[in-house]
Amino acid sequence: GIQVEQSPPDLILQEGANSTLRCNFSDSVNNLQWFHQNPWGQLINLFYIPSGTKQNGRLSATTVATERYSLLYISSSQTTDSGVYFCAVQGAGGYNKLIFGAGTRLAVHP
Amino acid sequence: GAVVSQHPSWVICKSGTSVKIECRSLDFQATTMFWYRQFPKQSLMLMATSNEGSKATYEQGVEKDKFLINHASLTLSTLTVTSAHPEDSSFYICSARGWGNQETQYFGPGTRLLVL
Repeated sequence: GIQVEQSPPDLILQEGANSTLRCNFSDSVNNLQWFHQNPWGQLINLFYIPSGTKQNGRLSATTVATERYSLLYISSSQTTDSGVYFCAVQGAGGYNKLIFGAGTRLAVHP
Repeated sequence: GAVVSQHPSWVICKSGTSVKIECRSLDFQATTMFWYRQFPKQSLMLMATSNEGSKATYEQGVEKDKFLINHASLTLSTLTVTSAHPEDSSFYICSARGWGNQETQYFGPGTRLLVL
């Protein structure tokens, strides 16, 4: 099946810093989503981005489907950005399921 | 965005009992629902995929007789953990997707199960 790798596994930032999270995948995809899992476990949809670039406030994401990677940018980080960021993909080969990467655990300190 | 609810949010039960978890799509029709399991500090692992009105498709290694899934309507799926044991303690999360294979998946808030 399709493999999803996220980096870095852990990230510590000072409030106000910028960061880039990466997601590599092993096959063509027809769905790629970025999520933020808050401390209570709720998964919050950040982006649905199988290709192209999107921006939402301080967050933006870019997926280069031909090179099989996606990037999530967090600018001017805040303590509320802390949590785990997951990339999840659905393969284009007829697969019907979203496969999650291992996640990036982000801690933003004041 | 679309809203998915889960009930209960947490449950504590004795070993050997069965526990039912409900997943509802509140403002859209979910043709497909998914059940995931997450252990502490780990990623989400897909357990099964269910389409409304048909049998669930289980991932390799997931016991279908232990984790019973029913998707009786376009807004409700249930996961029953039968004869629960302490090793079944985990965070169970459902997600729902509307029409179309390329639609966004929306996730419920999860259910924490503790089996004593």
